Amino acid sequence: DVKVTQSSRYLVKRTGEKVFLECVQDMDHENMFWYRQDPGLGLRLIYFSYDVKMKEKGDIPEGYSVSREKKERFSLILESASTNQTSMYLCASRVGGRVDTEAFFGQGTRLTVV
Amino acid sequence: GENVEQHPSTLSVQEGDSAVIKCTYSDSASNYFPWYKQELGKRPQLIIDIRSNVGEKKDQRIAVTLNKTAKHFSLHITETQPEDSAVYFCAAPGGSYIPTFGRGTSLIVHP
Repeated sequence: DVKVTQSSRYLVKRTGEKVFLECVQDMDHENMFWYRQDPGLGLRLIYFSYDVKMKEKGDIPEGYSVSREKKERFSLILESASTNQTSMYLCASRVGGRVDTEAFFGQGTRLTVV
Repeated sequence: GENVEQHPSTLSVQEGDSAVIKCTYSDSASNYFPWYKQELGKRPQLIIDIRSNVGEKKDQRIAVTLNKTAKHFSLHITETQPEDSAVYFCAAPGGSYIPTFGRGTSLIVHP
């Protein structure tokens, strides 16, 4: 079974803090994604990575950055957390090079910024 | 990029009824259409998908239909059960190969 593991299930951070969300997958997938999930807005893509050290902006990258130094790990960084970044964050991975492959999701990190 | 519209946002049915969720997409380059189910407090998981070379695919009580001309695809659930209650997401890749998700449909099945 593919496993995508996010480092925290729940996080509470203060406004202005730098926040790191970590995601690790164990199936040697090339592609990794960070999505933000808000009620009524579905899954919105923040950043994705085709492979190690490669990253591309998604639909809502403002206020976020990412790091992919190793194939199995994709980190999402909130440079200076704000209350409007309170949300559920989902990481996903999949085999690269093809469009018709399943995306496997992590369990999600619910981040609250106070 | 791809634009995916999903309707309805909420669907309430009685146990045993059928449920239909529809998605439309904009990019004619899209050729793979998955559906994900997210139960309360859990991660989204793929339940069925369809490629552009077929018009319909079935797996027990769920089916997906595709109309490439009209650029829409639908999820059909027959004989709904309470455990079908969840949020369902459709997706389409467009020409970028990155899945764009619909906004989700909250399906509620009343016993």
